[in-house]
Amino acid sequence: DVQMTQSPSSLSASVGDRVTITCRASHSISIYLNWYQQKPGRAPKLLIFDASSLQSGVPSRFSGSGSETDFTLTISNLQPEDFATYYCQQSNDIPRTFGGGTKVEIK
Amino acid sequence: EVQLMESGGGLAEPGGSLRLSCAASGFAFTDAWMTWVRQAPGKGLEWVGHIANKADGETTTSTAPVKGRFTISRDASKNTLFLQMNSLKTEDTGVYYCTTVAGRRNSRYYYYYMDVWGKGTTVTVSS
Repeated sequence: DVQMTQSPSSLSASVGDRVTITCRASHSISIYLNWYQQKPGRAPKLLIFDASSLQSGVPSRFSGSGSETDFTLTISNLQPEDFATYYCQQSNDIPRTFGGGTKVEIK
Repeated sequence: EVQLMESGGGLAEPGGSLRLSCAASGFAFTDAWMTWVRQAPGKGLEWVGHIANKADGETTTSTAPVKGRFTISRDASKNTLFLQMNSLKTEDTGVYYCTTVAGRRNSRYYYYYMDVWGKGTTVTVSS
């Protein structure tokens, strides 16, 4: 199985900050990396697919980059509604696997 | 609007069974691959498995911890996805989500991501 390692597991940030979350795959997954946002008690929501493609309706302050084994989710100008947990997920191999999550909290 | 609504969750004893349903609307269900994803209390997300569309033979694949115990199926006449869960274990406790997928395909593989999620249904396995 492809192991997905996210870092950090949590972070504190202020409104207006730029936040970067990284995700590392245990072996190459090309560009097949997706990012989801989950708020407490809610279903996950797709933000970014194929490493850098923004899902329709997602604000442009969210961006993704990377390929092979190293990927990044960046949130520029953090907004109050962005405080949530973020998960990466690979779609190159079966089983599909998720990172452990990064909780973004208010400083 | 694409909508997914899970139901069927509840309390089951270890070794027992539950059948989850996911009612789909707003899209061509027959054409869609579908997945189940679960989340244990306070934990991360775990892909449970998928079922292909009719054109791809409705083949299923699932993760190792549920192989031989869980079965994914679909009923096109009811626009409904199912997850039959047998021989339940306490570690199966969690919220179960159904999703639609989208992504890139080639002749051999579907690099899909989960694009629309239901609200989830809660399964508790306890004696």
